[in-house]
Amino acid sequence: SQTIHQWPATLVQPVGSPLSLECTVEGTSNPNLYWYRQAAGRGLQLLFYSVGIGQISSEVPQNLSASRPQDRQFILSSKKLLLSDSGFYLCAWGGAWETQYFGPGTRLLVL
Amino acid sequence: GENVEQHPSTLSVQEGDSAVIKCTYSDSASNYFPWYKQELGKGPQLIIDIRSNVGEKKDQRIAVTLNKTAKHFSLHITETQPEDSAVYFCAASGESGYSTLTFGKGTMLLVSP
Repeated sequence: SQTIHQWPATLVQPVGSPLSLECTVEGTSNPNLYWYRQAAGRGLQLLFYSVGIGQISSEVPQNLSASRPQDRQFILSSKKLLLSDSGFYLCAWGGAWETQYFGPGTRLLVL
Repeated sequence: GENVEQHPSTLSVQEGDSAVIKCTYSDSASNYFPWYKQELGKGPQLIIDIRSNVGEKKDQRIAVTLNKTAKHFSLHITETQPEDSAVYFCAASGESGYSTLTFGKGTMLLVSP
């Protein structure tokens, strides 16, 4: 069966510091991968998605970037965090058709 | 692009009652409609989905209905239990070939014992 991992689970970072969040998927090959952000009490905002290694599409211009160095690895990065980057970051993988399965999430607090 | 509206934003019911959450979408080309349940501090979990060639789908106490003409779909939960309390999100498929989803803003369901 397929499993999706995210780490870290929780992160507290100062403004201006760099960020690296990692997502890995097991049990499937060549999945579509997605990064979402969820602000407190709000919906899901798609940030990036990838259909293959090195292929990244950005949905929202912002302070963040994404990379896919391996088939089942998706990384979300920032060079300098802003207060507004705080939120719950969710990685998802795409199975058959448009079905998406979410990871456990990373809670980021920028102070 | 696709726009998904979800109502109500909060829903309180007594244990054993039914709950209905409704969503409308704007893109007539959308053909896939999943529902997710998100418990506090966790990632959303897919609970049921429906494709545009089907009008209704049921899985035990939950069911989803789709009206393509009116471009709306609904989640029905019968015999609600306290463990059904969570935030529920509907979604609709995005542009064909990109496998993206557009989500509603969520409904917080509270089931009181």
